[in-house]
Amino acid sequence: GDSVTQMEGPVTLSEEAFLTINCTYTATGYPSLFWYVQYPGEGLQLLLKATKADDKGSNKGFEATYRKETTSFHLEKGSVQVSDSAVYFCALGNNQGGKLIFGQGTELSVKP
Amino acid sequence: DTAVSQTPKYLVTQMGNDKSIKCEQNLGHDTMYWYKQDSKKFLKIMFSYNNKELIINETVPNRFSPKSPDKAHLNLHINSLELGDSAVYFCASSQAQADTQYFGPGTRLTVL
Repeated sequence: GDSVTQMEGPVTLSEEAFLTINCTYTATGYPSLFWYVQYPGEGLQLLLKATKADDKGSNKGFEATYRKETTSFHLEKGSVQVSDSAVYFCALGNNQGGKLIFGQGTELSVKP
Repeated sequence: DTAVSQTPKYLVTQMGNDKSIKCEQNLGHDTMYWYKQDSKKFLKIMFSYNNKELIINETVPNRFSPKSPDKAHLNLHINSLELGDSAVYFCASSQAQADTQYFGPGTRLTVL
């Protein structure tokens, strides 16, 4: 079945460091890909998405490109801030009732 | 205005009790979902409804019964609560299946 694998956390970075969180997927068909962020004690917020191969999603300085050839959707940010500390989830959405299949989440901690 | 709301935010109860969690969305979406997030933050779909019709039932014990009185509401009733039901339950909605999902703030259920 469809699945998503993320790099394990926690990831600890200093402010202004470069961030990469790896995400790879296995899917039949042509899923949509998403990154969601969960701040402490809150629900999930959509960070960015891409609906087809080679699409680049971007928001708040974060970017991810849908790579069909490598089945990847890695999240990147050039300069992280303390306020980016959160858990990041990669997810794929297929046409099987619309369910999202999530990776295990990657906790990011940014130190001043 | 809160797009997807859930009540209660916290629920502490004894094993064997029956409890309900309510979810409402004011986005005019057709599809609603329940997800369970375990203690390791792993998220898994439980149910999805489209226009009040059950679309996904992801091998959830039949102690869990979703009810959708109308398109804007999807409630989750849990009978005979067990320790393993302790988790955070998230409601979500989307305009259509495979569209972006918007999540509620979550309900933290603790079964003692």
